[in-house]
Amino acid sequence: DTAVSQTPKYLVTQMGNDKSIKCEQNLGHDTMYWYKQDSKKFLKIMFSYNNKELIINETVPNRFSPKSPDKAHLNLHINSLELGDSAVYFCASSHKSATSGGLYNEQFFGPGTRLTVL
Amino acid sequence: GQNIDQPTEMTATEGAIVQINCTYQTSGFNGLFWYQQHAGEAPTFLSYNVLDGLEEKGRFSSFLSRSKGYSYLLLKELQMKDSASYLCAVRRSSASKIIFGSGTRLSIRP
Repeated sequence: DTAVSQTPKYLVTQMGNDKSIKCEQNLGHDTMYWYKQDSKKFLKIMFSYNNKELIINETVPNRFSPKSPDKAHLNLHINSLELGDSAVYFCASSHKSATSGGLYNEQFFGPGTRLTVL
Repeated sequence: GQNIDQPTEMTATEGAIVQINCTYQTSGFNGLFWYQQHAGEAPTFLSYNVLDGLEEKGRFSSFLSRSKGYSYLLLKELQMKDSASYLCAVRRSSASKIIFGSGTRLSIRP
């Protein structure tokens, strides 16, 4: 009954390769996110999708391409991996951001994918 | 833009009380979150404040002063399992985006 799941949990690969990380949530949320947490533990948002539509796209190299086949899935594809891409990548989901009288959007995080680029 | 500051590290004693402060500067403030993250694990939600005042939830309480751009997380009756990083995060009204601070690593000693 995992709420937010990611695969793989660990990913070790060579520089220049292309890799994907998958994320699925079974909470019925309509908004999903990708975060990157670097070695200094700073958690930084990369992308957010609401109902399969991209709503947040931070300053991220275009080697990173998110794909949302449906609102329960948000995958992250990374081309031409670089050493600096080594980090832990967290997927998260929430209800849509609150407007007045709406729900606040507590985010539920997946277990993380530790990516190591050699 | 936004800027979130919190101490990098703190140490406290089992059974005691500790207060972790967070100051922020942001346009269009619409709520402040506290998350707990144990080493090697995902962040988990602790509290949410959007109005001034204190929100209490068991051993944990969170306070917000919007006029001062200030929040704190108060942990009472500390237990060894409370050793973790505590992340302060601010939401802007214009987007679903939540901006996280760099976290405070709390160590509990017996």
